[in-house]
Amino acid sequence: TQLLEQSPQFLSIQEGENLTVYCNSSSVFSSLQWYRQEPGEGPVLLVTVVTGGEVKKLKRLTFQFGDARKDSSLHITAAQPGDTGLYLCAGVDGGANSKLTFGKGITLSVRP
Amino acid sequence: DARVTQTPRHKVTEMGQEVTMRCQPILGHNTVFWYRQTMMQGLELLAYFRNRAPLDDSGMPKDRFSAEMPDATLATLKIQPSEPRDSAVYFCASGLSQTGHPGNTIYFGEGSWLTVV
Repeated sequence: TQLLEQSPQFLSIQEGENLTVYCNSSSVFSSLQWYRQEPGEGPVLLVTVVTGGEVKKLKRLTFQFGDARKDSSLHITAAQPGDTGLYLCAGVDGGANSKLTFGKGITLSVRP
Repeated sequence: DARVTQTPRHKVTEMGQEVTMRCQPILGHNTVFWYRQTMMQGLELLAYFRNRAPLDDSGMPKDRFSAEMPDATLATLKIQPSEPRDSAVYFCASGLSQTGHPGNTIYFGEGSWLTVV
């Protein structure tokens, strides 16, 4: 079983601060995805990273895939209250069935 | 606006009762997933289908859970008999083959919130 560990589990910051959260595994993934989930809703895909070392930016969010394709980070610049939510990473195995395994998530609260 | 539709949104039932959750995937999507989410375990994959055939149900307790796709527009997850430890949010998601490819997004429904008392 491929496990994804996300850290920290909980994070509460002030609006305008920067933050970085992590997704780590001992397994290699063919790609890795980040989702955001808001209360009462399903997760929504933010980004997919595929190549080791790849960096993708989505407005104030920067995602990086580790060189060995085992870990990833998410950096948010100048956090806003609208960034509040549960951030999930999910690893895709390289098999034909492309199974998606999720971490437990990081609960982020951005205070106005 | 295409979306995954799940019913019921909320269900409270007594222990021992049968529970059936339904999912209508996005039209044209050939891969359907069932996930369960709890505070303790996070999102756990229960089962998934491609072209209506079950690919992996290793995460599903076989003695009481069953998942089927009677046709391309309907996926069902059944629990019989239900137990309090089954209380969770059950999500259905759909997508195209090669999940995890940047061009292929999986879309989640809003979930079925199950409470077994």
